[in-house]
Amino acid sequence: AQSVSQHNHHVILSEAASLELGCNYSYGGTVNLFWYVQYPGQHLQLLLKYFSGDPLVKGIKGFEAEFIKSKFSFNLRKPSVQWSDTAEYFCAVISNNAGNMLTFGGGTRLMVKP
Amino acid sequence: KAGVTQTPRYLIKTRGQQVTLSCSPISGHRSVSWYQQTPGQGLQFLFEYFSETQRNKGNFPGRFSGRQFSNSRSEMNVSTLELGDSALYLCASSAVVGPNNSPLHFGNGTRLTVT
Repeated sequence: AQSVSQHNHHVILSEAASLELGCNYSYGGTVNLFWYVQYPGQHLQLLLKYFSGDPLVKGIKGFEAEFIKSKFSFNLRKPSVQWSDTAEYFCAVISNNAGNMLTFGGGTRLMVKP
Repeated sequence: KAGVTQTPRYLIKTRGQQVTLSCSPISGHRSVSWYQQTPGQGLQFLFEYFSETQRNKGNFPGRFSGRQFSNSRSEMNVSTLELGDSALYLCASSAVVGPNNSPLHFGNGTRLTVT
């Protein structure tokens, strides 16, 4: 069975600080990788996705993530965070033979202080 | 294009009752998945439907069931409710299912409270 772990449960940053959220997954086969964000009171929204090709993927709102296959990692980064980035971030994995059965990490709550 | 619509938004039930939650996917989407979100367990996959057929099922007891209609709308049912069923139930839809998965689009969820 696949699993996803997010190393940080809570992160507090000041505006303009750089962000890196860790995500590691365990699965031996081909996977598709996602980062979702849940702003307070809102539904889960897709930040970015990796299916194949360039391991550095760019998403919305200045976020990017790098897929490192050898490390089973898909870390999320943003060079300079804003107060509006305050949200909960979820890393998720789908294996190629699992339909739309997403396996989510536990989430990271990010608070950005103005 | 309207997003994924879930009804009702909030629901309060007592132990032992049953509940039915509804989900209308984005127009043209044929795959509907359900997830349970709790503070303790996080987001967990319940089941997925495509063209009225259940494709995958998560590790939940048989009290949790679902179905999909010909117009792709889906319902999930929980019978004999337990306190631990209190959660946010999320529905997600996507256009296709396959090796190149189209991303899931989530609804706002139904907040179920069991007392």
